Amino acid sequence: ILNVEQSPQSLHVQEGDSTNFTCSFPSSNFYALHWYRWETAKSPEALFVMTLNGDEKKKGRISATLNTKEGYSYLYIKGSQPEDSATYLCAPSNAGGTSYGKLTFGQGTILTVHP
Amino acid sequence: NAGVTQTPKFQVLKTGQSMTLQCAQDMNHEYMSWYRQDPGMGLRLIHYSVGAGITDQGEVPNGYNVSRSTTEDFPLRLLSAAPSQTSVYFCASSLKQLRKQFFGPGTRLTVL
Repeated sequence: ILNVEQSPQSLHVQEGDSTNFTCSFPSSNFYALHWYRWETAKSPEALFVMTLNGDEKKKGRISATLNTKEGYSYLYIKGSQPEDSATYLCAPSNAGGTSYGKLTFGQGTILTVHP
Repeated sequence: NAGVTQTPKFQVLKTGQSMTLQCAQDMNHEYMSWYRQDPGMGLRLIHYSVGAGITDQGEVPNGYNVSRSTTEDFPLRLLSAAPSQTSVYFCASSLKQLRKQFFGPGTRLTVL
């Protein structure tokens, strides 16, 4: 089981603010890092799958970066909108041992965007 | 495509009862998995399958059985329900292992 930490646990921002949060994970034997968005009363929805050090992915106003050497990923939201309110989950997987091929989910960052 | 479907949406059991949570996908995905979600904890992997006839344990497999006789279906069996199994259960699938996962709508299970 990988040790995954997401910070902050929760975040309140105003509409139009840009924001970012962090996912930290063990850097050894890294294989892949997933980001999911989870809206209340819905199911988690995949945002990005990242595998290479230095990877940057973008989907609309949301982007993510990956540093596998130091074991962290940042998720950025530019110009937050109320519909961005959700829990953002990261899930790394490593390439060795009993954790191979399994995603370990962090507890998530709860984002609330106020109009 | 219906995507990933789960039944039932809600279920109440008494301690010691058994039941099966159903999961099906129509996307011809090789990989399927079951997670449970509890307050204050992230999604935890129960069991997973990389293809028909192949299953393996996740992080919290005790008290649960799975089988994968077809590509489409991946049922989760609770053999003797316990209050500690009260949770929301999500089934997910992906084209292959470690590709982005598509989640079902979840089953909320209460064990009294």
